[in-house]
Amino acid sequence: AQSVTQLDSQVPVFEEAPVELRCNYSSSVSVYLFWYVQYPNQGLQLLLKYLSGSTLVKSINGFEAEFNKSQTSFHLRKPSVHISDTAEYFCAVSVRGGSQGNLIFGKGTKLSVKP
Amino acid sequence: SQTIHQWPATLVQPVGSPLSLECTVEGTSNPNLYWYRQAAGRGLQLLFYSIGIDQISSEVPQNLSASRPQDRQFILSSKKLLLSDSGFYLCAWKGQANTEAFFGQGTRLTVV
Repeated sequence: AQSVTQLDSQVPVFEEAPVELRCNYSSSVSVYLFWYVQYPNQGLQLLLKYLSGSTLVKSINGFEAEFNKSQTSFHLRKPSVHISDTAEYFCAVSVRGGSQGNLIFGKGTKLSVKP
Repeated sequence: SQTIHQWPATLVQPVGSPLSLECTVEGTSNPNLYWYRQAAGRGLQLLFYSIGIDQISSEVPQNLSASRPQDRQFILSSKKLLLSDSGFYLCAWKGQANTEAFFGQGTRLTVV
């Protein structure tokens, strides 16, 4: 079975500061890794994903995440946050090559960016 | 392009009343379909998934059921709602060629 741990339930930061949202996973088989973002009262939007290849993946709005197999981590980072980045962020895994594609989510991290 | 529709956006129902939430997907065929529930501080819990018409798998025993009467339609139901059924319900789909799932806008259900 797979599990995902997001170590911080809430992360407050000031605008233009760097931020790191931590994610660790556990799995006995190879997995795909994802970060989703959720704005208030909305569905989830895919932010970025790691499937294979380069362990550093980037989104179009400045976020990046690095897959670390030895530490079973997939931390999300942004060097300078904006007010508009305020949202809840979810880390998720799914079994590589699995036909069902079920996503297993962490409990989420609420990022609050203050002016 | 593919789109997912989920309705209603909000719903307030009394305890003991029935429930029907509907989700439809456009622009794709034979998608995997999912129902998740989100409760405060508990992340997203997978309730049901379906890999085809009338093929439903339940992940968690509960007061809810799901049906897939058509290829791109997924319905979440209950005969009698409980207070504990309150939450934010999200429908999602994944194409056969995709690795990620795409989510609807969600339904906020409050059982009173």
